[in-house]
Amino acid sequence: DTEVTQTPKHLVMGMTNKKSLKCEQHMGHRAMYWYKQKAKKPPELMFVYSYEKLSINESVPSRFSPECPNSSLLNLHLHALQPEDSALYLCASSQDWQGAGGPSTDTQYFGPGTRLTVL
Amino acid sequence: GQNIDQPTEMTATEGAIVQINCTYQTSGFNGLFWYQQHAGEAPTFLSYNVLDGLEEKGRFSSFLSRSKGYSYLLLKELQMKDSASYLCAVRDVGGSARQLTFGSGTQLTVLP
Repeated sequence: DTEVTQTPKHLVMGMTNKKSLKCEQHMGHRAMYWYKQKAKKPPELMFVYSYEKLSINESVPSRFSPECPNSSLLNLHLHALQPEDSALYLCASSQDWQGAGGPSTDTQYFGPGTRLTVL
Repeated sequence: GQNIDQPTEMTATEGAIVQINCTYQTSGFNGLFWYQQHAGEAPTFLSYNVLDGLEEKGRFSSFLSRSKGYSYLLLKELQMKDSASYLCAVRDVGGSARQLTFGSGTQLTVLP
């Protein structure tokens, strides 16, 4: 099973709203990722959690706040977003990004994404 | 840093073979991935190469030459459902991170 689930599928929010995106995997993966993808562009890495600790923050504005409550869950809290933040937000997970299992175990599997529209 | 190039668009006919090329220039290299992405959906993992040579998986094959910074994805017996964007992604080992950097994707259209 290589399933990563994300909720909600679609989200429309105003610039003053607070909302959260959720991601879940039950593959025993210890690394989880948030990506942002604009139309006809490749995914851009936002955050990486490894063993429930934030290991990479790609200079993402503070209006995006990630949280990893446990090894299976990853949240992205949204506050005071701008219309240009409208995009597909993808969650991914991989088995062991620190490489103890070897590089081939570090394949990232993506969830279906949340289509976010900021009005 | 990473620089990954792949063609923007390709068109092929159902039943044919198509080769999608990817060239990369990276400061570090620890594997190259190919993903398929249908419009509005998540990328789906297709293949992984870390050593030189060809990896075959059914109708899909991927080749890597590390000395040339070059990879290709070969799709045989094309089907209409193969119409999608194909993303080449390189994994770096800079610092303590294993980050994926994606190319801009190749939009493949399969015609009947």
